[in-house]
Amino acid sequence: DTGVSQDPRHKITKRGQNVTFRCDPISEHNRLYWYRQTLGQGPEFLTYFQNEAQLEKSRLLSDRFSAERPKGSFSTLEIQRTEQGDSAMYLCASSSGSSNTGELFFGEGSRLTVL
Amino acid sequence: AQSVSQHNHHVILSEAASLELGCNYSYGGTVNLFWYVQYPGQHLQLLLKYFSGDPLVKGIKGFEAEFIKSKFSFNLRKPSVQWSDTAEYFCAVMEGFQKLVFGTGTRLLVSP
Repeated sequence: DTGVSQDPRHKITKRGQNVTFRCDPISEHNRLYWYRQTLGQGPEFLTYFQNEAQLEKSRLLSDRFSAERPKGSFSTLEIQRTEQGDSAMYLCASSSGSSNTGELFFGEGSRLTVL
Repeated sequence: AQSVSQHNHHVILSEAASLELGCNYSYGGTVNLFWYVQYPGQHLQLLLKYFSGDPLVKGIKGFEAEFIKSKFSFNLRKPSVQWSDTAEYFCAVMEGFQKLVFGTGTRLLVSP
C-alpha cells in the first residue's frame, strides 16, 4: 500500500498520560499536514510541514501538543498531559508541493480516547 | 480567515433521487474549492476541485459542482444517487498555500 499510513489506529489512554502518533506520508510528497476531527465536525487544521520545516501552526495546537518531522519523511504528533477534550480523530495528510494541485491525500486517522 | 458552511447535516434519499448539497464560503477573491468524500470506514478522498476556468466541475462517480462567485457557493450535485454513495461529504476551501478549511460535513444516507 503506497498511501498515507498512521499508527496506532486507536489509542485509549487515561487523562494526564502522554501519547504519540506517527504518520508516514506518500514517499514523494514533501508536504505533510495534521488535522483533528471531532464528532459532527469537519477536519480542523493543526499544523503543516514542508520537508522538515514546520511552517504553520494553528492556535488549536496548545503547548501540550508538539509535532516533528525530523528527516522530512515521517512525522510524529505528541500530546502531553492528555485531557478529555483531546479525544478526537487525528488525521494526517500529505501532498506534493511541486504539483500544486491542492489535493491532499489523507490517512485513515488515529482515534484517541482519553478516559 | 476563511470559513465554510454546509447547510445540510443529514440527508436521506432513495436510490435514483437527485442530490444537491449546499456549500458556502465566507469571502471572495480568488478561491480554490474542493469536495471530499469519506465512505464508511475509509479515509477522506477527493471528489472534485475547482481552481479556475469552467465553473461547472465534473468529478468522479458522476458528481459535479458549480462555482457561483456572486453567491460564494460551490454546491455539489448528482442527478441520480446510488446506495454506494452513502458517505459523509465535506466542502473545503484553500486558505493560504495549500491549507484546507473544511465545512462540518453532510452525512448522506441512500436507501435501496
